[in-house]
Amino acid sequence: NAGVTQTPKFRVLKTGQSMTLLCAQDMNHEYMYWYRQDPGMGLRLIHYSVGEGTTAKGEVPDGYNVSRLKKQNFLLGLESAAPSQTSVYFCASKPRETFYNEQFFGPGTRLTVL
Amino acid sequence: AQSVTQLGSHVSVSEGALVLLRCNYSSSVPPYLFWYVQYPNQGLQLLLKYTTGATLVKGINGFEAEFKKSETSFHLTKPSAHMSDAAEYFCAVSDGTGGFKTIFGAGTRLFVKA
Repeated sequence: NAGVTQTPKFRVLKTGQSMTLLCAQDMNHEYMYWYRQDPGMGLRLIHYSVGEGTTAKGEVPDGYNVSRLKKQNFLLGLESAAPSQTSVYFCASKPRETFYNEQFFGPGTRLTVL
Repeated sequence: AQSVTQLGSHVSVSEGALVLLRCNYSSSVPPYLFWYVQYPNQGLQLLLKYTTGATLVKGINGFEAEFKKSETSFHLTKPSAHMSDAAEYFCAVSDGTGGFKTIFGAGTRLFVKA
């Protein structure tokens, strides 16, 4: 099993450009999450999904959109990138069956917005 | 609302010394508590978790943590630090509601001196 994979690993954007980050998991997990990690702030939840076709806002959703068209994929979109969105983005997934299970994380995408 | 406070953004210990990373939480319901570790340029991986039952939890790599409800604490310890323990450690809490969202602390970076 590959676990949770993220594409791309690195990206540099100019202000105003758009891009989509792809998260894929092969563990048949119901729940998926997008976080951003900034120095001294830990991980903050952007959006999450409890199943195919459903998404919900997290702690810091502004400037981001998501879609979960397939159970194994969770896409994070930036329509008009801003320098404040420079961060490391992590995707995670979790099975539904045991609610106290931990989340499984991808390796991250480092995004720089100039 | 849940929250997590990690005391000390940086902790430095000598190899072979005791490791103690502090975590305090707040939660309106019985919490599920986690410690994750992040090595450089990698995603987070689970170190250990507390759900119910025994309050002393053992994890991987010789780490353990004790859930103390009266002190709302979940401190992470290891009797003898190893150079390979150098990483960033995150304490996290979930109450199992709202898509089983997890709130992460700001993180503590552990340095191990030879």
